[in-house]
Amino acid sequence: DTGVSQDPRHKITKRGQNVTFRCDPISEHNRLYWYRQTLGQGPEFLTYFQNEAQLEKSRLLSDRFSAERPKGSFSTLEIQRTEQGDSAMYLCASSLESVKGGLAGYTFGSGTRLTVV
Amino acid sequence: DQQVKQNSPSLSVQEGRISILNCDYTNSMFDYFLWYKKYPAEGPTFLISISSIKDKNEDGRFTVFLNKSAKHLSLHIVPSQPGDSAVYFCAASLDSNYQLIWGAGTKLIIKP
Repeated sequence: DTGVSQDPRHKITKRGQNVTFRCDPISEHNRLYWYRQTLGQGPEFLTYFQNEAQLEKSRLLSDRFSAERPKGSFSTLEIQRTEQGDSAMYLCASSLESVKGGLAGYTFGSGTRLTVV
Repeated sequence: DQQVKQNSPSLSVQEGRISILNCDYTNSMFDYFLWYKKYPAEGPTFLISISSIKDKNEDGRFTVFLNKSAKHLSLHIVPSQPGDSAVYFCAASLDSNYQLIWGAGTKLIIKP
């Protein structure tokens, strides 16, 4: 296990369809994060899990978005009834809970690029 | 309300010279600052971080300086190398959680 894996790398969908993304974190990392990045902007926080518990959700995460992390391993992010404004890069990251310096241990996947047409 | 700002969308530097990337923030409660580097089609990669109780942190060619009174931090890369060409993001966190708040990034181009 050499890093954070995200699948698929690219997804094109029609407006109104549902999509689901998967993230496999580094196996020993107990924290998992989802971020969204649009062109010319930095990543925006969506949600974060510690083990299987979803501890924080951004107000950016509308009712159409849902994330799960069953058994505290991989995570899925589902977007229902996609809209063109959902087009973005969806980034997953994982880290190991530790003292404050653990922030340096944030490891990102390569992301899933979603295009809603 | 952008709490972390990187006002230079791009920066071009000659190979071998110093690259200085700047970042400003508005929230004085931020207690940790990080720099990430991002190549196209890849996720961000952690570079270096600094705690708010320090004013400098150095790691090889990379040094981050923090000026709390000015709410400003900078990343110095010396000497700059072609492989340093990438987008650099500044990010900050609050003590209460591990969520990172990011700037919009600066594209660094190292000219041979």
